[in-house]
Amino acid sequence: GIQVEQSPPDLILQEGANSTLRCNFSDSVNNLQWFHQNPWGQLINLFYIPSGTKQNGRLSATTVATERYSLLYISSSQTTDSGVYFCAVSDRGSTLGRLYFGRGTQLTVWP
Amino acid sequence: EPEVTQTPSHQVTQMGQEVILRCVPISNHLYFYWYRQILGQKVEFLVSFYNNEISEKSEIFDDQFSVERPDGSNFTLKIRSTKLEDSAMYFCASSVGREDIQYFGAGTRLSVL
Repeated sequence: GIQVEQSPPDLILQEGANSTLRCNFSDSVNNLQWFHQNPWGQLINLFYIPSGTKQNGRLSATTVATERYSLLYISSSQTTDSGVYFCAVSDRGSTLGRLYFGRGTQLTVWP
Repeated sequence: EPEVTQTPSHQVTQMGQEVILRCVPISNHLYFYWYRQILGQKVEFLVSFYNNEISEKSEIFDDQFSVERPDGSNFTLKIRSTKLEDSAMYFCASSVGREDIQYFGAGTRLSVL
C-alpha cells in the first residue's frame, strides 16, 4: 500500500507561534485528509485536500499532488491546538478509498 | 451538521467474549468503513463496505471479525472472541462517494481484560 510519512513527529510551541506540518506520500492519491485528534481521541476533520490550497480561519493546507506532499499551516497557535495531527490518503489503486494514515505529529502548545 | 454516531463510547469486556460495536452513518452516505487505533499508534484500516457487501479488508480483519448493515441505518462490527490485543479505539466512517471525504465517528474505546 501507499506509504505516508509525517514530519516532524513532535512539535512544541509557545502560544502565538506559527507552524508547518508536512505529509509526504509515495504514490498518486485520490483523497487526502488532515485530522486533529483531540485529547478525548476524537478525529476531527480539518481539510479534504487532494490538491490545491484551502484555508479555514488560522489553519490552511496545501497539497502539491505532482510532488506528493501536503502541508498544514497553523498560525497564531493556541493551547487548544494541542493534540495529534494526522494526514491520511487513499491511493488510486484502492477499491473503495481506504485511507492510509501517517504516524502523526504530536503538537504541544504552551501558554 | 450531520454526523456519524457510534455506541457505546467505551466498552469493557472479558477476553473470549463477543462484542458488537455499533455505528449510524450519515443518512445519504453509501460507503462505510471501520478503522482502529491501538493506543499511541496510527489509525489502521479494517474493512470497507458498499452495496451490502465487504469491498476490501485488511490483514487485521480475520475470521474473528464481521460487519453487517442489518437494517439500512446501522452498521455494526462484531468481534467474535476478543483477545487482549483487540483493545483499541474503533472508528466508524462513511462517505457519499468512493473518493469523497470520509466522516469519522467519535470512536468506541474497547478494553479487553
